Amino acid sequence: RKEVEQDPGPFNVPEGATVAFNCTYSNSASQSFFWYRQDCRKEPKLLMSVYSSGNEDGRFTAQLNRASQYISLLIRDSKLSDSATYLCVVNPNAGNNRKLIWGLGTSLAVNP
Amino acid sequence: NAGVTQTPKFQVLKTGQSMTLQCAQDMNHNSMYWYRQDPGMGLRLIYYSASEGTTDKGEVPNGYNVSRLNKREFSLRLESAAPSQTSVYFCASSSGLGQPQHFGDGTRLSIL
Repeated sequence: RKEVEQDPGPFNVPEGATVAFNCTYSNSASQSFFWYRQDCRKEPKLLMSVYSSGNEDGRFTAQLNRASQYISLLIRDSKLSDSATYLCVVNPNAGNNRKLIWGLGTSLAVNP
Repeated sequence: NAGVTQTPKFQVLKTGQSMTLQCAQDMNHNSMYWYRQDPGMGLRLIYYSASEGTTDKGEVPNGYNVSRLNKREFSLRLESAAPSQTSVYFCASSSGLGQPQHFGDGTRLSIL
């Protein structure tokens, strides 16, 4: 099993739709998680950090399910500008002594 | 507010040539990283520096060397460029290994 797995998509949704991505991780000791977005030919940018059960920032909600070892990203009222690749990132251990593990990303296209 | 600055942004090399990619951060971060990103491969860690004075190999270090010049600067050197090293290179920094990373806007390198 890969350390971090994401459905590559693409997810094609109309403007205004709600869309959710899941990300599964293999190390049950993982303590913190991040969602990044990456626009085509641009650098990854931090979207959200998740340290406990979840986090919410405007239209974006991240939820953590430790029992099933997955985190999800929910985007409500999708905008055209949300079209991007969303990268799931996992800190595989407690503290600062481990490198982050990156998923391959989920591609989202929001259509007019 | 520069964040992470990479130079150059674009470069074309001939096989066998050498070059150094430069990276500097102004966020007083301890940890710095070099990644490459190829289509369908996601971000792959080349080398990282957990703190000033230390460097370690990532998952794809062959053909590269790094120098952590000081706390701000982390350079990546290709001693004898090969076409397989054609890629987009990203430098990133974070306060510590398990913390969210902030990226430069990348160097697009083509090797002919």
